[in-house]
Amino acid sequence: QLQLQESGPGLVKPSETLSLTCTVSSGSITSISYLWGWIRQPPGKGLEWIGSIHSAGNTYYNPSLESRVTISVDTSRNQFSLKLISVTAADTAVYYCARHFLSEAARGGFNYWGQGTLVTVSS
Amino acid sequence: DIQMTQSPSTLSASIGDRVTITCRASQSLSSWLAWYQQKPGKAPKLLIYKASSLENGVPSRFSGGGYGTEFTLTISSLQPDDFATYYCQQYGSYPRTFGQGTKLEIK
Repeated sequence: QLQLQESGPGLVKPSETLSLTCTVSSGSITSISYLWGWIRQPPGKGLEWIGSIHSAGNTYYNPSLESRVTISVDTSRNQFSLKLISVTAADTAVYYCARHFLSEAARGGFNYWGQGTLVTVSS
Repeated sequence: DIQMTQSPSTLSASIGDRVTITCRASQSLSSWLAWYQQKPGKAPKLLIYKASSLENGVPSRFSGGGYGTEFTLTISSLQPDDFATYYCQQYGSYPRTFGQGTKLEIK
Protein backbone atom coordinates (compact mmCIF):
# COMPACT_ATOMS: atom_id res chain seq x y z
CA GLN A 1 0.00 0.00 0.00
CA LEU A 2 1.46 3.32 -1.08
CA GLN A 3 2.21 5.68 1.81
CA LEU A 4 3.00 9.39 1.85
CA GLN A 5 4.43 11.23 4.86
CA GLU A 6 4.91 14.97 5.24
CA SER A 7 7.77 16.36 7.31
CA GLY A 8 9.08 19.79 8.19
CA PRO A 9 8.89 22.57 10.77
CA GLY A 10 5.55 23.15 12.44
CA LEU A 11 6.28 26.81 13.13
CA VAL A 12 7.55 29.39 10.66
CA LYS A 13 8.06 33.10 11.26
CA PRO A 14 6.31 35.69 9.11
CA SER A 15 8.28 36.69 5.98
CA GLU A 16 10.34 33.50 6.15
CA THR A 17 10.20 30.37 3.98
CA LEU A 18 7.99 27.37 4.63
CA SER A 19 9.71 24.11 3.59
CA LEU A 20 8.09 20.69 3.63
CA THR A 21 9.07 17.30 2.27
CA CYS A 22 6.85 14.38 1.34
CA THR A 23 8.42 10.92 1.49
CA VAL A 24 6.80 8.24 -0.64
CA SER A 25 7.08 4.62 0.48
CA SER A 26 5.88 1.27 -0.84
CA GLY A 27 5.90 2.72 -4.35
CA SER A 28 8.13 4.64 -6.71
CA ILE A 29 7.86 8.36 -7.30
CA THR A 30 9.36 7.77 -10.76
CA SER A 31 6.23 6.10 -12.12
CA ILE A 32 5.37 8.02 -15.29
CA SER A 33 1.64 7.68 -14.64
CA TYR A 34 1.40 9.99 -11.66
CA LEU A 35 1.73 13.54 -10.45
CA TRP A 36 2.65 14.41 -6.88
CA GLY A 37 0.87 17.34 -5.35
CA TRP A 38 0.50 19.64 -2.37
CA ILE A 39 -2.85 20.71 -0.96
CA ARG A 40 -3.49 22.86 2.10
CA GLN A 41 -6.37 23.46 4.47
CA PRO A 42 -6.50 26.45 6.84
CA PRO A 43 -7.97 25.57 10.24
CA GLY A 44 -11.72 25.12 9.93
CA LYS A 45 -11.74 25.91 6.20
CA GLY A 46 -11.73 24.16 2.85
CA LEU A 47 -9.08 22.64 0.61
CA GLU A 48 -6.75 24.55 -1.71
CA TRP A 49 -4.55 22.91 -4.32
CA ILE A 50 -1.06 24.44 -4.26
CA GLY A 51 0.68 22.63 -7.09
CA SER A 52 1.92 19.33 -8.49
CA ILE A 53 5.05 17.85 -10.03
CA HIS A 54 5.92 14.92 -12.26
CA SER A 55 9.08 12.90 -11.61
CA ALA A 56 10.41 14.24 -14.93
CA GLY A 57 10.30 17.70 -13.34
CA ASN A 58 7.24 19.22 -15.00
CA THR A 59 5.38 21.44 -12.57
CA TYR A 60 1.86 22.83 -12.32
CA TYR A 61 1.11 25.65 -9.88
CA ASN A 62 -1.95 27.44 -8.60
CA PRO A 63 -1.71 30.96 -10.09
CA SER A 64 -2.80 32.39 -6.75
CA LEU A 65 0.45 31.12 -5.17
CA GLU A 66 2.74 30.69 -8.16
CA SER A 67 4.91 33.72 -7.42
CA ARG A 68 5.83 32.28 -4.01
CA VAL A 69 5.87 28.50 -4.59
CA THR A 70 8.48 26.04 -5.76
CA ILE A 71 7.87 22.29 -5.89
CA SER A 72 10.81 19.99 -6.58
CA VAL A 73 11.44 16.26 -6.75
CA ASP A 74 14.33 14.09 -5.54
CA THR A 75 13.93 10.72 -7.23
CA SER A 76 16.98 9.26 -5.46
CA ARG A 77 15.24 9.72 -2.13
CA ASN A 78 11.69 9.07 -3.40
CA GLN A 79 10.68 12.50 -2.12
CA PHE A 80 9.18 15.72 -3.34
CA SER A 81 9.26 19.07 -1.62
CA LEU A 82 7.39 22.34 -1.22
CA LYS A 83 8.89 25.77 -0.63
CA LEU A 84 6.66 28.76 0.02
CA ILE A 85 8.42 32.08 0.47
CA SER A 86 7.41 35.26 2.28
CA VAL A 87 4.80 33.56 4.43
CA THR A 88 2.13 35.37 6.44
CA ALA A 89 -0.46 34.25 8.97
CA ALA A 90 -2.77 33.49 6.02
CA ASP A 91 -0.45 30.59 5.12
CA THR A 92 -1.21 28.84 8.43
CA ALA A 93 -2.76 25.53 7.43
CA VAL A 94 -2.55 21.77 7.45
CA TYR A 95 -0.42 20.87 4.43
CA TYR A 96 -1.08 17.57 2.69
CA CYS A 97 0.89 15.79 0.02
CA ALA A 98 -1.05 13.57 -2.35
CA ARG A 99 -0.83 11.56 -5.57
CA HIS A 100 -2.98 12.00 -8.67
CA PHE A 101 -2.96 10.76 -12.22
CA LEU A 102 -1.00 12.38 -15.03
CA SER A 103 -3.71 11.35 -17.45
CA GLU A 104 -6.98 11.64 -15.66
CA ALA A 105 -9.15 10.54 -18.58
CA ALA A 106 -9.57 7.03 -17.18
CA ARG A 107 -9.26 7.79 -13.49
CA GLY A 108 -8.93 10.99 -11.54
CA GLY A 109 -8.76 12.64 -8.19
CA PHE A 110 -6.15 12.53 -5.47
CA ASN A 111 -6.24 8.88 -4.49
CA TYR A 112 -3.43 8.70 -1.94
CA TRP A 113 -2.83 11.32 0.75
CA GLY A 114 -0.36 11.91 3.53
CA GLN A 115 -1.74 12.40 7.02
CA GLY A 116 -1.09 16.14 6.86
CA THR A 117 1.12 18.44 8.89
CA LEU A 118 0.06 21.66 10.59
CA VAL A 119 2.26 24.64 9.82
CA THR A 120 1.67 27.74 11.90
CA VAL A 121 3.04 31.10 10.80
CA SER A 122 3.72 33.19 13.87
CA SER A 123 6.50 35.20 15.43
CA ASP B 1 -10.24 29.33 -12.53
CA ILE B 2 -13.28 27.06 -12.37
CA GLN B 3 -15.39 27.89 -9.30
CA MET B 4 -17.04 24.98 -7.50
CA THR B 5 -20.13 25.64 -5.38
CA GLN B 6 -21.63 23.00 -3.10
CA SER B 7 -25.06 22.96 -1.53
CA PRO B 8 -26.10 22.76 1.13
CA SER B 9 -23.21 23.89 3.34
CA THR B 10 -24.63 21.88 6.24
CA LEU B 11 -27.01 18.96 6.13
CA SER B 12 -28.70 17.36 9.13
CA ALA B 13 -29.93 13.81 8.65
CA SER B 14 -30.69 10.59 10.50
CA ILE B 15 -29.34 7.06 10.26
CA GLY B 16 -30.98 5.33 7.33
CA ASP B 17 -31.85 8.54 5.47
CA ARG B 18 -31.09 9.04 1.80
CA VAL B 19 -29.15 12.28 1.27
CA THR B 20 -27.93 14.16 -1.77
CA ILE B 21 -25.25 16.85 -2.00
CA THR B 22 -25.01 19.05 -5.08
CA CYS B 23 -21.90 20.54 -6.68
CA ARG B 24 -22.07 23.14 -9.43
CA ALA B 25 -19.17 24.22 -11.62
CA SER B 26 -18.74 27.66 -13.19
CA GLN B 27 -17.99 26.02 -16.55
CA SER B 28 -18.39 22.61 -18.08
CA LEU B 29 -16.26 19.80 -16.67
CA SER B 30 -17.54 16.97 -18.84
CA SER B 31 -17.22 14.19 -16.23
CA TRP B 32 -13.97 15.34 -14.64
CA LEU B 33 -15.23 15.53 -11.08
CA ALA B 34 -14.25 13.76 -7.86
CA TRP B 35 -15.86 13.53 -4.43
CA TYR B 36 -14.08 13.19 -1.10
CA GLN B 37 -15.05 12.43 2.49
CA GLN B 38 -13.10 14.07 5.30
CA LYS B 39 -13.34 13.34 8.99
CA PRO B 40 -11.93 15.65 11.69
CA GLY B 41 -8.16 15.50 11.91
CA LYS B 42 -7.88 13.19 8.90
CA ALA B 43 -6.90 13.55 5.28
CA PRO B 44 -9.66 13.54 2.67
CA LYS B 45 -10.57 10.15 1.23
CA LEU B 46 -11.42 9.75 -2.45
CA LEU B 47 -14.92 8.30 -2.87
CA ILE B 48 -15.83 8.88 -6.49
CA TYR B 49 -13.97 9.90 -9.66
CA LYS B 50 -15.14 10.66 -13.17
CA ALA B 51 -18.41 11.88 -11.66
CA SER B 52 -19.87 8.43 -11.06
CA SER B 53 -17.09 5.83 -10.72
CA LEU B 54 -16.73 4.35 -7.25
CA GLU B 55 -13.18 4.20 -5.88
CA ASN B 56 -12.01 0.75 -4.80
CA GLY B 57 -13.26 -0.20 -1.34
CA VAL B 58 -15.92 2.50 -1.10
CA PRO B 59 -19.33 1.16 -0.03
CA SER B 60 -21.96 0.90 -2.73
CA ARG B 61 -24.37 3.14 -0.77
CA PHE B 62 -22.31 6.03 -2.19
CA SER B 63 -23.10 7.06 -5.74
CA GLY B 64 -22.30 10.00 -7.95
CA GLY B 65 -24.04 11.51 -10.93
CA GLY B 66 -24.15 14.45 -13.25
CA TYR B 67 -22.33 15.87 -16.23
CA GLY B 68 -21.18 19.26 -17.42
CA THR B 69 -21.81 21.76 -14.65
CA GLU B 70 -24.10 20.00 -12.18
CA PHE B 71 -23.16 16.97 -10.12
CA THR B 72 -24.56 15.03 -7.18
CA LEU B 73 -23.27 12.77 -4.44
CA THR B 74 -25.93 10.50 -2.96
CA ILE B 75 -25.72 8.29 0.10
CA SER B 76 -28.58 5.82 -0.15
CA SER B 77 -28.89 4.87 3.53
CA LEU B 78 -26.83 6.85 6.03
CA GLN B 79 -24.61 4.90 8.38
CA PRO B 80 -22.98 6.25 11.55
CA ASP B 81 -19.57 6.28 9.81
CA ASP B 82 -20.87 8.63 7.09
CA PHE B 83 -21.16 11.75 9.25
CA ALA B 84 -18.30 13.85 7.93
CA THR B 85 -17.55 16.72 5.56
CA TYR B 86 -17.77 16.11 1.82
CA TYR B 87 -15.91 17.99 -0.92
CA CYS B 88 -16.18 17.98 -4.67
CA GLN B 89 -13.12 18.70 -6.81
CA GLN B 90 -12.77 19.39 -10.51
CA TYR B 91 -9.91 18.07 -12.59
CA GLY B 92 -11.03 19.38 -15.94
CA SER B 93 -8.41 22.10 -15.92
CA TYR B 94 -5.69 23.72 -13.87
CA PRO B 95 -5.75 25.02 -11.24
CA ARG B 96 -7.50 22.12 -9.59
CA THR B 97 -10.28 23.53 -7.40
CA PHE B 98 -12.49 22.22 -4.62
CA GLY B 99 -15.95 23.06 -3.43
CA GLN B 100 -16.28 24.73 -0.05
CA GLY B 101 -17.52 21.54 1.60
CA THR B 102 -20.77 20.13 2.94
CA LYS B 103 -20.88 19.11 6.59
CA LEU B 104 -23.19 16.16 7.17
CA GLU B 105 -24.45 16.17 10.75
CA ILE B 106 -26.56 13.82 12.80
CA LYS B 107 -30.11 15.09 13.30
